[in-house]
Amino acid sequence: DQQVKQNSPSLSVQEGRISILNCDYTNSMFDYFLWYKKYPAEGPTFLISISSIKDKNEDGRFTVFLNKSAKHLSLHIVPSQPGDSAVYFCAAGGSSGSARQLTFGSGTQLTVLP
Amino acid sequence: DAGITQSPRHKVTETGTPVTLRCHQTENHRYMYWYRQDPGHGLRLIHYSYGVKDTDKGEVSDGYSVSRSKTEDFLLTLESATSSQTSVYFCAIRGDPGLGAKADTQYFGPGTRLTVL
Repeated sequence: DQQVKQNSPSLSVQEGRISILNCDYTNSMFDYFLWYKKYPAEGPTFLISISSIKDKNEDGRFTVFLNKSAKHLSLHIVPSQPGDSAVYFCAAGGSSGSARQLTFGSGTQLTVLP
Repeated sequence: DAGITQSPRHKVTETGTPVTLRCHQTENHRYMYWYRQDPGHGLRLIHYSYGVKDTDKGEVSDGYSVSRSKTEDFLLTLESATSSQTSVYFCAIRGDPGLGAKADTQYFGPGTRLTVL
């Protein structure tokens, strides 16, 4: 039973355009959400996060949107750059969970074409 | 990156042999985690620790054990490796705001690629 789902295994975008990566969750106890980026042969690196008390968080070219009623979050990258090509994981956690565990989606491979 | 190292970075072993992977951190974060990454599954939690000698099971703990005798080291042991345990293993710490890290954010090590023949 996947509590966090990334339904698109891959996405290709032209350089300079917007990349939109999507994530859905089922557990209403999740109250904070994160996006990680992963290059081959490296560990995931933290990108951006959002608390359930917000519906948007921005950090430079990266914006995360949260729609709690739809249990959906998205990551927007504007403008996309070739260096953004990586696997992106969304993750969710609940403040009542033991040890603040995170549940991860299966990832989306983003390819930014020059 | 919270000073997280993993060793070895690559290992090939045979079915039935015991294997121990090491995670080392330099910043005294309390919480540490072991994940495995497999195609189509993302990152799945194996075990975690919330302090020295305090550990608990995650989603996919069968066939694995852990130990934490010092704050800085978290060991993952495959008692008798099987081919289904071929995977990439990642260690993570949870950021401690008291140490200058972002709360509720996990930071990952570089990973260990394990192949069980």
